[in-house]
Order: sequence, then structure tokens, then C-alpha cells
Amino acid sequence: EPEVTQTPSHQVTQMGQEVILRCVPISNHLYFYWYRQILGQKVEFLVSFYNNEISEKSEIFDDQFSVERPDGSNFTLKIRSTKLEDSAMYFCASSEVGGGNEQFFGPGTRLTVL
Amino acid sequence: AQSVTQLGSHVSVSEGALVLLRCNYSSSVPPYLFWYVQYPNQGLQLLLKYTSAATLVKGINGFEAEFKKSETSFHLTKPSAHMSDAAEYFCAVRRRAGSYQLTFGKGTKLSVIP
Repeated sequence: EPEVTQTPSHQVTQMGQEVILRCVPISNHLYFYWYRQILGQKVEFLVSFYNNEISEKSEIFDDQFSVERPDGSNFTLKIRSTKLEDSAMYFCASSEVGGGNEQFFGPGTRLTVL
Repeated sequence: AQSVTQLGSHVSVSEGALVLLRCNYSSSVPPYLFWYVQYPNQGLQLLLKYTSAATLVKGINGFEAEFKKSETSFHLTKPSAHMSDAAEYFCAVRRRAGSYQLTFGKGTKLSVIP
């Protein structure tokens, strides 16, 4: 069964460093998303991406964040200068189309900022 | 703005007992509604979704949920709990048009007592 994959599973970084979280969405999906879950809190939407551009972003997704689809398979989230409060589980998701379509989630990358 | 409230951050049931996980939403128009399950160290897996038509929705693993517009609720039930149901359950909403972002509740951790 096709699935969303994410690498790495755990990333530890120093405050101020740049990190890139990688995702491989399901191959025939057209919409891609990033969510995050700070420990003990809700899963929060960060950004959605369609047709090689951001279609929607939350107020969390400020200038420190960027997304890219560098090739036909990968979808990345970059945090330019990490802060302690960026420590969270980051989930990538993809869906075939919009509407009521299911978003398929990856297993997440746990980011720890020291 | 839409929001989701899940009553009870932690629910314990005995094996074989009824599972009832509560979800209430706030939205100006009936949204799409979803229940996701998260097993330890895994991503979010869709259990079921309400998009239109039938208000009683059946999902995987014997779960079902009923959309009640008058109560703005979408409670998740299962007649008989199994040990393998122990996980965290998230209710989520999505607007029908104009946005594909999911808004999640805080989650309910289900424990099943043998």
C-alpha cells in the first residue's frame, strides 16, 4: 500500500541552525501539507502546497519557514534559523485532490532544538 | 473560524466495553469531519470521515461516528473495545470550500484495560 515517508525520524539541532525535513508524498497525489505537533498540544496546520506553489499557510508559517518540491518526488520543509520553540513533531501529508479527500500522513520527524 | 473540542484527554475502558470518544465542532456551516488514530511512534491514520449524505459513518476497525448537526457533534463509537484499540484519537474538521487545512482537536488517549 502506498504511504508517505519522512526522513529523518529524529533530528537534533542547535538553536540558530538551519534544518531541512524531507517527505516523499504518495506518487499520484497533487496536494502536499506540513503540520506540526508540539509535545502535549494539538496538531497544527502549517502550510499546503499545490501546483508548485503555496496555496495556504497559517500564521505559524512565518519567514523562517519555506517549502519546496525540488524534484518529482520530494517535498521539503526548511526552517532557516531554528528556535527552541520549533521543537515538535512535524508531519507531512498528501492528498489526491482537495475536497473531502483524505490526507495521508507520514510517520513524522521529531525535531529537537537545543 | 472553526474549532474542535474533544472532551476528555484520557479515556479508559475495559476490554469488550463500549468506546465513546466525544467531539464537538464549531463552524459557521457544516464542515467535513474526520477521525484519525495515532499509534505510538506512528503517523495519523484515517479512521473515518463525514463529507455529506449519510450521517452515520462507518470506518475501519469497527469504529463508527454519527454527525449530529443540531448538537454540532461527531462522536466516535465502537461497541466492543479491543486491546489493539489503545491509541490516541484525533477529531478534525475542514471547511467544505476555500481551504484544505485540517483543524484538529487536542486528542483523546484511549486506554483499554484487560
